[in-house]
Amino acid sequence: TQLLEQSPQFLSIQEGENLTVYCNSSSVFSSLQWYRQEPGEGPVLLVTVVTGGEVKKLKRLTFQFGDARKDSSLHITAAQPGDTGLYLCAGGVLGQDRGSTLGRLYFGRGTQLTVWP
Amino acid sequence: DTGVSQDPRHKITKRGQNVTFRCDPISEHNRLYWYRQTLGQGPEFLTYFQNEAQLEKSRLLSDRFSAERPKGSFSTLEIQRTEQGDSAMYLCASSLPPRVNEQFFGPGTRLTVL
Repeated sequence: TQLLEQSPQFLSIQEGENLTVYCNSSSVFSSLQWYRQEPGEGPVLLVTVVTGGEVKKLKRLTFQFGDARKDSSLHITAAQPGDTGLYLCAGGVLGQDRGSTLGRLYFGRGTQLTVWP
Repeated sequence: DTGVSQDPRHKITKRGQNVTFRCDPISEHNRLYWYRQTLGQGPEFLTYFQNEAQLEKSRLLSDRFSAERPKGSFSTLEIQRTEQGDSAMYLCASSLPPRVNEQFFGPGTRLTVL
């Protein structure tokens, strides 16, 4: 059972289109990270969101953390072929001690995005 | 280059052999993590260190797996008596408290067990 569910699993679109990918859970996270991964390489950190309701923008990418800190979305405007890759969300879980954060990240299975020219 | 480095990038071995991978974290990061990723899956946590102390191990880390970080800098992950099911990408990451969840990954070591 995945702690984080990502949807869609695959997304194939034309250059210039907009898209949104989702990351959902029934668990509360202390933070939510988004990564992009190319074939044969390690994930590259795009953004960290920490506060419920937080919105962060990175050029054409907009990231939102749900109010309850259980879900997140990534919206890409005017997608380009260079955006092609595997987008992974990863959550850090609160520890037993108030305010502490455990070490591990829980990853979703990812959304494979292909943007055609 | 000041990012996380891993060596080797690729390893092909025969079933039953032992293999060892190395990870060099970002120099000022005192937390170091090992993950494993198989095709179609996100990375799965194996273990992590704070300085030289191994603070958490996943149930995925069977007794054939051992990780060390003797001086609190680089780390090694050894797999003994490899099995075909060990074939995966082994990823190392590092971070710096208090932003422990901002984990920066290396390029990974692709292990193939024949």
